[in-house]
Amino acid sequence: QKEVEQNSGPLSVPEGAIASLNCTYSDRGSQSFFWYRQYSGKSPELIMFIYSNGDKEDGRFTAQLNKASQYVSLLIRDSQPSDSATYLCAVNPTGANSKLTFGKGITLSVRP
Amino acid sequence: GAVVSQHPSRVICKSGTSVKIECRSLDFQATTMFWYRQFPKQSLMLMATSNEGSKATYEQGVEKDKFLINHASLTLSTLTVTSAHPEDSSFYICSARAGTENSPLHFGNGTRLTVT
Repeated sequence: QKEVEQNSGPLSVPEGAIASLNCTYSDRGSQSFFWYRQYSGKSPELIMFIYSNGDKEDGRFTAQLNKASQYVSLLIRDSQPSDSATYLCAVNPTGANSKLTFGKGITLSVRP
Repeated sequence: GAVVSQHPSRVICKSGTSVKIECRSLDFQATTMFWYRQFPKQSLMLMATSNEGSKATYEQGVEKDKFLINHASLTLSTLTVTSAHPEDSSFYICSARAGTENSPLHFGNGTRLTVT
């Protein structure tokens, strides 16, 4: 079964710190990787997507992909209380007919 | 771009009634839309894949006769919860892609269904 694993959390960091969120996946042939943020009671919103090995930066967010080790991570620099949410890792496995596989999510709390 | 609109945002219905939820892609065409359900403090669970002009594909354990999906156009998919029961109370979210298979899913704002 194709799986996406995230640390169970919760993760608590002080304001201004770097939050590091990690995700591993089982399907080595996966092609695309996504991070979504979900505030309590709201639907997920796309934060980052990455397709190639290495880093991809967008403002305070950096996604890192290592296909050989089958992990993808999200770094949030200068964390703000407004970053407090659940972060979902999602992977597009091979042969999945475009269905994403989601991790269970990790809840991040940024302490003022 | 890539906006998915879903409504209603909240609905309360009595047990035994049916509820229809609409999902629209506002600025792109979506041949495929996905319907998810999320219970409190749990992750997203894919219910079904909605295919324009053809039957939906349901995930294992999801009753197709209870959760009716219609995808009659390239911008609209509907989910009807038939004969709703309190255990169907949940957060229902639709999503769609604006591009290729590897492009991101964009989610609607979700529908909070409460069955009394």
